[in-house]
Formats: sequence, structure tokens, C-alpha cells
Amino acid sequence: SAVISQKPSRDICQRGTSLTIQCQVDSQVTMMFWYRQQPGQSLTLIATANQGSEATYESGFVIDKFPISRPNLTFSTLTVSNMSPEDSSIYLCSVAALAGGGDTQYFGPGTRLTVL
Amino acid sequence: AQTVTQSQPEMSVQEAETVTLSCTYDTSESDYYLFWYKQPPSRQMILVIRQEAYKQQNATENRFSVNFQKAAKSFSLKISDSQLGDAAMYFCAYRTWGETSGSRLTFGEGTQLTVNP
Repeated sequence: SAVISQKPSRDICQRGTSLTIQCQVDSQVTMMFWYRQQPGQSLTLIATANQGSEATYESGFVIDKFPISRPNLTFSTLTVSNMSPEDSSIYLCSVAALAGGGDTQYFGPGTRLTVL
Repeated sequence: AQTVTQSQPEMSVQEAETVTLSCTYDTSESDYYLFWYKQPPSRQMILVIRQEAYKQQNATENRFSVNFQKAAKSFSLKISDSQLGDAAMYFCAYRTWGETSGSRLTFGEGTQLTVNP
């Protein structure tokens, strides 16, 4: 399994500002993922971050709005830029790791973002 | 594209009873993973159980078991001897098999489970 931590756990931000969320894993992993969970909804993948290459964004998400860094195999950041109230969500970091003979995806505790 | 459907937005069960949560999915692939995740109010996504599509045997983890029907593309979760701590939102998720696919998870909309004492 993998133990994942995220900072901050929550934040309240003003419209037009940016917030950077950090994700730290206790082991080296190839792929890290960033998901968004809007209030009362399911999880939606924002992007996949591989070390040493640019992140791959899903339809509806762009690098200018959600820049991602992946400087090494245990760490990644997601920035939510020029925030608006519609960005209020839980943002979750996830990694794929081997467990029990199979490939499994584990999640961090999430960052609850409120934009005023 | 793969889709995952959970047709029960809410379910309730009495403590110590058994409950089954439904999930169906759509895919043209033959090899894939299926998962059930639990999200309590703390919002932490907790892996409950995993099933590899090539395995005919249904996965079990203590009080949690699945009924995997590959031909019907159905993947239900059975919780036996329900406990108050089982109360949470449960998400069904699909993942393509190969590394080249990016390992992305496709989630259903979730089922909110209430456990009544």
C-alpha cells in the first residue's frame, strides 16, 4: 500500500487568488493523479502526473488553470489558479501502487477548498 | 469510453443486517479492474475491495464481498453484519488493465449508506 499526505487539509480563499496543494507519498511511484470532487458529487480526474514529463490533462481541464509539478517520484503539487466560487471542491491526490498481487489506487486525505 | 452506474443514490440497513449495493459498467475491454471505495464524512477515500476481471472467483474481504457478473457487466457489493462504522458514501470504480492506459479510475455517482442502530 501507500501512505499519502496532503497539505493544506482545508483552506478558504478569496476570488482571483491561487492556491497550491502539496501531495507527498511514502514510497516512489510512477504515476500520481489529481481528482476533483465537487460538493455532493463523484470524483473527476483532473490530470495524470508522471515524473519528468508534463502532466496529461483530461477534457475540460487546462494547464493554465491547474498547473501541476512533479519534481520527483514521491511529490507533486496542484495549483488552482485565479480561483472562483465554482472551484470550491475537495481536491484529492492519488497514486497507483501494487498491493495484494494487483495494481490498486490509493488516495490522500483530500484538501477542502472554499472560494469566497 | 467506460461508464459506471450506481442506480441507488441512498440505501439504509439495520445494524447487524446485510445490505447489497449495485453497480453496473459499460466497457468493450476484456481485462480491467473493478473497485469499491468508501468515503466517510472525513472525506478519506478508503479502498474496500478489488476485483480483477480475469478472475472468476468473487473477491472477499472480511464482511465485504462482491458478486461479479462479467457477462452482465455487474459488480455489486455485499456488506454482512453491518456496523455503524460502515455508514459512508460508497463509490464503484473501473480501471483499465494496462499501464499505457494511464491507470485512471472512472467512478460511479455513489451510494450513500446509512446504518440504523
